[in-house]
This record gives sequence, structure tokens and C-alpha cells, in this order.
Amino acid sequence: EGQVLESGGGLVKSGGSLRLSCAASGFTFSDFSMNWVRQAPGKDLEWVSSISKSSRHIYYADSVKGRFTISRDNAENSLYLHMNSLRAEDTAVYYCVREERWPNGAFEIWGQGTRVTVSS
Amino acid sequence: QLVLTQSPSASASLGASVKLTCTLSSGHSTYAIAWHQQQPGKGPRYLMKLNSDGSHTKGDGIPDRFSGSSSGAERYLTISSLQPEDEGHYYCQTWGTGIRVFGGGTRVTVL
Repeated sequence: EGQVLESGGGLVKSGGSLRLSCAASGFTFSDFSMNWVRQAPGKDLEWVSSISKSSRHIYYADSVKGRFTISRDNAENSLYLHMNSLRAEDTAVYYCVREERWPNGAFEIWGQGTRVTVSS
Repeated sequence: QLVLTQSPSASASLGASVKLTCTLSSGHSTYAIAWHQQQPGKGPRYLMKLNSDGSHTKGDGIPDRFSGSSSGAERYLTISSLQPEDEGHYYCQTWGTGIRVFGGGTRVTVL
């Protein structure tokens, strides 16, 4: 079925930047749209961003638009999230998620998450 | 606006059944959804995709105790023969052009 593995989380000061990475294996990465989803401490799941298999279509939640950038490298089977101007409210566990094949968008494969803590 | 609504909590006795509801917002009653489970302290796990006609496709290794059904704008997840490991949060999720949406989650307690 495949798996995804996030990395790059850590402690960063408010206003700072961080880049998350997600390594995919066990499936043809270039065939699937990918997403980032986050979960703040004690809170519910929040979709952050989505990128189509060719990077042609990219979408963001309003809460991160203009600050976060999603990208992918199909040759390296990798997904990225560049986070700038970080705020305390961005503190969360960030999950890399693979969708079903287009046009369906069920989130089929979840990573174990990487924790981002933004200190004020 | 595409919105999913879930009840905050549900409970049932060990070995009993519980039925969770996820309601699609007006104008979106034909949308498919997915159900995800999150056990305490763990990341989410995909359970199934559920279509408007009630047909569903489960993820790898998901027990037969988990089933889905639909009626109008409502999507249901039924967990039969409740086990202690079924405790946790259950989230529904759907999608549209340029958007992915989660419901607020239902916390399931096994009594």
C-alpha cells in the first residue's frame, strides 16, 4: 500500500521559518496528489495544503495562505512544506497524507507526523 | 460552503454497537466522504471511503466490524462488537475543487 514519513519539525521562534519534508515509498509517488494536514494540541484535524501530482494545481487553507508553500519532487519521491512567518497558532503536529487517485480525494495514507512548536 | 458536522461524543458498552453521523452541508448531499480513526496518542488512520449510495471501500486491514451507510446528506459509520481499542476520535473528511474539509470529530468512549 505504501507509506510516507515526515521530518523537519522542531522548535522555532515566532516569525521564523521551517521546512518540512515527507519521503514516500511503496507506491508511484507521481501518480497521486498529496496533502499536509495539521493538528494543534488538543484540537481537531485541519487541512493545510494540497498539491496535484504534476504540481499544476496547488491549494491552501486561508489560515496559511501567503505564508506556507507546498512543493514536491517526483524524481525524489518527496513532498515539502515551506513555512514562513510562523505564529504561535501554527504549533501543531503536521501530517503528510496521500490522496486516492484523482478525482477522488479520500486521504488514504497518513504519516506518523512531525511536531512543530512556535515559541513567542 | 462545504462543511461537515459531527456530534462531539458517543459511547456504548463493550461488545455493543455505535453509529456515528457526519452531515454534509446544504447543496452537497451527493458528496462522498472518508472516515478516519485516531486512537489516543496516535496519528489518524484511514478507515473507508463512503459514497452517497452507501457503497464503501475500506482501507487495508480494517476489520469487518466497521461499516458505512448513507441517507441523504448523512453519512454513517457503524462500529459493531465494540472493542477497547475502538476508543478514540473519529473524523469524517470530504473534498471539492481546491478544498479538503474535516468534520469536528466524534469522541467514542467504550463503557
